[in-house]
Amino acid sequence: AQKVTQAQTEISVVEKEDVTLDCVYETRDTTYYLFWYKQPPSGELVFLIRRNSFDEQNEISGRYSWNFQKSTSSFNFTITASQVVDSAVYFCALNSVKSSGSRLTFGEGTQLTVNP
Amino acid sequence: EPEVTQTPSHQVTQMGQEVILRCVPISNHLYFYWYRQILGQKVEFLVSFYNNEISEKSEIFDDQFSVERPDGSNFTLKIRSTKLEDSAMYFCATATGNTGELFFGEGSRLTVL
Repeated sequence: AQKVTQAQTEISVVEKEDVTLDCVYETRDTTYYLFWYKQPPSGELVFLIRRNSFDEQNEISGRYSWNFQKSTSSFNFTITASQVVDSAVYFCALNSVKSSGSRLTFGEGTQLTVNP
Repeated sequence: EPEVTQTPSHQVTQMGQEVILRCVPISNHLYFYWYRQILGQKVEFLVSFYNNEISEKSEIFDDQFSVERPDGSNFTLKIRSTKLEDSAMYFCATATGNTGELFFGEGSRLTVL
């Protein structure tokens, strides 16, 4: 069985602070993909990043960075110099790959509030 | 940029009524999915569809639910007799392959009274 745990239910920061959202996962698969999605108040799911299990390189995209550590089964997401527009629910997800399709297992989400 | 389109954006229905949610996938995508998000909760997998048949379904996807792609373009989710607990946001997602990135639609909010 697969599981994604986002222990932080809510985080509140002041604008310009850095914030890290934690994600821990469990899987028996050797090949898998990890994702982060953003869900703003409007409700849609916005894709942020995909990472495969063979690539442990950290990634930076503008103010966003991701730290994948296979040894601790973690895939943490950091927002540098947060902005009010970053306020949203952020979901970490794990993909089990099968020949007939794949299935995302989502974490519970972390509600991030960035205050001016 | 191509996108997944869902209709309706919001539907209100009475308990026991049938509901059909529609999704227009991105044109070259082969894998189709429905996910559900009850208000304030996480996103949950319902069903995956590939090669004109269900490839996997979750325990949520009981006999009240069905999916089909009747005309080769639209991908539909039907709830035969809605219950109050079916109230949720339903997301369609599609993909070119099975290795990862799912493209999500903007969701259809279903309210069952």
